[in-house]
Amino acid sequence: SQELEQSPQSLIVQEGKNLTINCTSSKTLYGLYWYKQKYGEGLIFLMMLQKGGEEKSHEKITAKLDEKKQQSSLHITASQPSHAGIYLCGADKGGGNKLTFGTGTQLKVEL
Amino acid sequence: GAVVSQHPSRVICKSGTSVKIECRSLDFQATTMFWYRQFPKKSLMLMATSNEGSKATYEQGVEKDKFLINHASLTLSTLTVTSAHPEDSSFYICSALDRVLPNTEAFFGQGTRLTVV
Repeated sequence: SQELEQSPQSLIVQEGKNLTINCTSSKTLYGLYWYKQKYGEGLIFLMMLQKGGEEKSHEKITAKLDEKKQQSSLHITASQPSHAGIYLCGADKGGGNKLTFGTGTQLKVEL
Repeated sequence: GAVVSQHPSRVICKSGTSVKIECRSLDFQATTMFWYRQFPKKSLMLMATSNEGSKATYEQGVEKDKFLINHASLTLSTLTVTSAHPEDSSFYICSALDRVLPNTEAFFGQGTRLTVV
């Protein structure tokens, strides 16, 4: 069974709009990672969250992990075409950085 | 940031042949590397954990005799797809943990697209 659910599966937004991607786990997580991938390419690390209630930001991207450490959201402010790609959340369930990935969210940003 | 290099980036092979994919950490040492497989428009599926100097740990459902993993040095892990078949065609990607900073994020290679004809 899928342990990490991402929503939405795909998203099309106009340039300049804000958006949020969610990642939900049925189990408490040791760590939650967000990566971006261009299809057929490697993963670009965005953010790592380990503490309940933690929030991190980098440029126009903010990620949060809820207090129970079972849900995370990734928020992009004023989206740009460079934000387009596949966003993946990864869960570290045991502390050894062995990640289980979510289903992915494909983001398209229209001009 | 830390760099992980995969080689080759693309490979086409005939059914029945074996293909080796390399995963190298270029500027750090990695006692642990992970191999993932990604189907078109799907997420990454963990195949195995590669441990330097010891046997790899395979995830449930992954054939260890089909996907041979060797981690002979602190900077290199190899995945060999033996007797490849068209259903083995996929995108394979590795990640590596910095031995000195094990609690930081894993660094991913750029992936290898395997096509078996």
